[in-house]
Amino acid sequence: QVQLVQSGAEVKEPGASVKVSCRASTYTFTTYVIHWVRQAPGQRLEWMGWINAGNGNTKYSQKFQGRVTITRDTSASTAYMELSSLRSEDTAVYFCAKSGGYHFDYWGQGTLVTVSS
Amino acid sequence: QSALTQPASVSGSPGQSITISCTGTSSDVGAYNYVSWYQQHPGKAPKLMIYDVSNRPSGVSDRFSGSKSGNTASLTISWLQAEDEADYYCSSFTSSSTRVFGTGTEVTVL
Repeated sequence: QVQLVQSGAEVKEPGASVKVSCRASTYTFTTYVIHWVRQAPGQRLEWMGWINAGNGNTKYSQKFQGRVTITRDTSASTAYMELSSLRSEDTAVYFCAKSGGYHFDYWGQGTLVTVSS
Repeated sequence: QSALTQPASVSGSPGQSITISCTGTSSDVGAYNYVSWYQQHPGKAPKLMIYDVSNRPSGVSDRFSGSKSGNTASLTISWLQAEDEADYYCSSFTSSSTRVFGTGTEVTVL
């Protein structure tokens, strides 16, 4: 069974950066795209971007362009999402999700990022 | 990219059918047959229920079905059960090769 295991909860001050990891197992990591999606408390899902785990190509939502960087380490079957210049509105649960084509077929458990002074 | 529009809430009694709409534009829902639907219980990760408008992943009940007409996609839940009470989100591929989610619908089983 495909598994995506994310790193633990983070607390950051405004202006700082956060890097969340997503380790994949039981499938060939480099064959698929990994997406990042976030959900603020009580709010809807919001797509942030994707990375082609094979060639490293990325695509970001215009909303986060310039603040988000998605990378991967193929040797560790792990994708990373780094968000900079954090503000209180970035407090959310961040999910990674594997692409099954044009949909998200498997999801990580989510990582809560709290931005607070 | 604006969010796809869904009704905030839909409710039904056990055994009834309900339909959730998802309205986009000619740059997303209307342009491609790449609409998917997700079920999310409180505090949990979303779960894929429908992909490519009307396909069900293995293990998803056949009480869930999807369709599309123009810029609006729909998810129908037949024979509503208590376990179906959750939030539901649609998502679409877009002409910019990005993805967009819907505003979300809370389903209540009366």
